[in-house]
Amino acid sequence: GAGVSQSPSNKVTEKGKDVELRCDPISGHTALYWYRQRLGQGLEFLIYFQGNSAPDKSGLPSDRFSAERTGESVSTLTIQRTQQEDSAVYLCASRIWGGEAFFGQGTRLTVV
Amino acid sequence: DQQVKQNSPSLSVQEGRISILNCDYTNSMFDYFLWYKKYPAEGPTFLISISSIKDKNEDGRFTVFLNKSAKHLSLHIVPSQPGDSAVYFCAASAPGNTPLVFGKGTRLSVIA
Repeated sequence: GAGVSQSPSNKVTEKGKDVELRCDPISGHTALYWYRQRLGQGLEFLIYFQGNSAPDKSGLPSDRFSAERTGESVSTLTIQRTQQEDSAVYLCASRIWGGEAFFGQGTRLTVV
Repeated sequence: DQQVKQNSPSLSVQEGRISILNCDYTNSMFDYFLWYKKYPAEGPTFLISISSIKDKNEDGRFTVFLNKSAKHLSLHIVPSQPGDSAVYFCAASAPGNTPLVFGKGTRLSVIA
């Protein structure tokens, strides 16, 4: 597709379970970002991949959060042992060097 | 420590008038600035950007002004339309492999 694709669009999970969120970036975009937006809050940076460089993980809130990206393709964000405070919209964006970032529609995660 | 600040959480403007959204930043290394618009249940969409070598960029009804000495930028929308009602995010990036840093957003309501 032409845009950034995220799946699933909605996920409801029980507290303590692991979840995996997927992002399919725009082809050719070397940079990929994960952000989250909790209710009433701004965009919180989580992790950033740029080409084959080591990812910038400085925004990950705890060691329960991890993300992978192989080359310049799909990325997965994994949250282990989910907690209620993990409930948020998780947004993925991809970007070509020096340009604007394009966002996916997001995954709305609800931990019950 | 917020590097990008949008101090007005909300703004209400009458249709046809000018909307001015403000953004301040603290990191003097930032050299590229963007504005995004977000509707509920959608990912942010890119609106307009400006690099630090310019002080103004215009695209239709949207103009972004950059004041580097004050570390301040603003987005002007004129004339404002009801369809402009959304949350507007300011973002900034520094040169090299760095993530986009977002403000908390300003909710704009354009009243008919």
